[in-house]
Amino acid sequence: DTAVSQTPKYLVTQMGNDKSIKCEQNLGHDTMYWYKQDSKKFLKIMFSYNNKELIINETVPNRFSPKSPDKAHLNLHINSLELGDSAVYFCASSRGTGINTDTQYFGPGTRLTVL
Amino acid sequence: GQQLNQSPQSMFIQEGEDVSMNCTSSSIFNTWLWYKQDPGEGPVLLIALYKAGELTSNGRLTAQFGITRKDSFLNISASIPSDVGIYFCEEETSGSRLTFGEGTQLTVNP
Repeated sequence: DTAVSQTPKYLVTQMGNDKSIKCEQNLGHDTMYWYKQDSKKFLKIMFSYNNKELIINETVPNRFSPKSPDKAHLNLHINSLELGDSAVYFCASSRGTGINTDTQYFGPGTRLTVL
Repeated sequence: GQQLNQSPQSMFIQEGEDVSMNCTSSSIFNTWLWYKQDPGEGPVLLIALYKAGELTSNGRLTAQFGITRKDSFLNISASIPSDVGIYFCEEETSGSRLTFGEGTQLTVNP
């Protein structure tokens, strides 16, 4: 019944590794997002996909590559992990592209720790 | 991107007290949204505001969209321990969400 789910919930890895975080929504929404929440709890959008197409791509290192195999899934792959990548990553979805009545529904977050 | 200032950064209050927090910006927005994030969870939408001057309530929560479209406030009346969490404002302009406020960490002492 979970609307927006993410896996894994916790991810601890060594610097330099490559890792992926998966996100799935069962709400039938057209748009999905990835946010990064740093240690100061500041939420910053990274990417947004609408119907599998990239519509927002904030200034994010190209080590981060989102992939949307279908509109219900938006995965985040991170290459060559760095210490500064440690954060909580939230996936979210909304019905449209954010005009007026589009509520975003957030996943539970993935806490990434890079050692 | 736009500068979105949220204050206060943290609040420590006694149960039963009223709380007020606000967000301001130098830019004009079309929509203001207020979210609450419980510890270890993702943000959940509390109130959405779509028109300048709009005042909306959701239980003990009241939020208003400033007349100038550059600010918004969120009030919580008669706080209870489960109000603990981080409250975020979010702005929307030109049909795309880009910016959250820095968050207000609320602690309610029983």
